[in-house]
Amino acid sequence: GIQVEQSPPDLILQEGANSTLRCNFSDSVNNLQWFHQNPWGQLINLFYIPSGTKQNGRLSATTVATERYSLLYISSSQTTDSGVYFCAVYSTSGTYKYIFGTGTRLKVLA
Amino acid sequence: DSGVTQTPKHLITATGQRVTLRCSPRSGDLSVYWYQQSLDQGLQFLIQYYNGEERAKGNILERFSAQQFPDLHSELNLSSLELGDSALYFCASSARTGGSSGNTIYFGEGSWLTVV
Repeated sequence: GIQVEQSPPDLILQEGANSTLRCNFSDSVNNLQWFHQNPWGQLINLFYIPSGTKQNGRLSATTVATERYSLLYISSSQTTDSGVYFCAVYSTSGTYKYIFGTGTRLKVLA
Repeated sequence: DSGVTQTPKHLITATGQRVTLRCSPRSGDLSVYWYQQSLDQGLQFLIQYYNGEERAKGNILERFSAQQFPDLHSELNLSSLELGDSALYFCASSARTGGSSGNTIYFGEGSWLTVV
C-alpha cells in the first residue's frame, strides 16, 4: 500500500520562527489534507490541497503531485501552533483509504 | 466545531467488556470513517462506510465491528476489550467517497477509551 512519510519527526522552535514541514508519499494521490492535532487531541483541518498552493493567514501549503510531496509552511510561529501536524492522502490505487502520515511533533517555545 | 459528533467523550471500562462508540456525521455527509490513535501514535484507519455500505477496511480487529444506519449515523462496537485497546477513537465524515475531487474529511473530537 501507499507509504506516507513526514519530516522532520520532531521540531522545536522559538516563538516567531518560521518552519517547513514535509510530506512524501509513495504513490499517486487524488486527495491530500493537512491537519493539526492540538495538545487536547482535537484534529483541526488546515488545508485540502491535492495540488497547487494555498494560504491561510500564517500558514500556507504546496503540493507537487507529480513529484509526490507536499509542504506546509508556518510563519511567525506562536505557542498555540504546538501540537502534531499530519498529512493524509487518498491513493488513486483504489484502496479506498485515507492514510495518515507519521506526523511532525512541533513545540513552540515562548 | 467540525459538525461531527462523537459520544461518549470519555469511557473507562474493564477488560473483557464491550462498548459502543457513536458517531453522527456532518449534515449531508454520506461517508463515515473510523480511526484509532493509541498513545503517542499515528492514526490507524479502521473502516469506512458510504451510504450504509462498507466501503473500505483497514487493520480492524475481529473483536471490533461497525455499521452505518439508514439515518447515516455510525457505531463502532468493541468487544472482549484488552488493555491494548485503550486509545482515542476518531470518527470522520465526508460528503462523498474518499477519492472524489474536493472530498474533504472532517473529524469529530474523539472518544477516549481507557480499559483497566
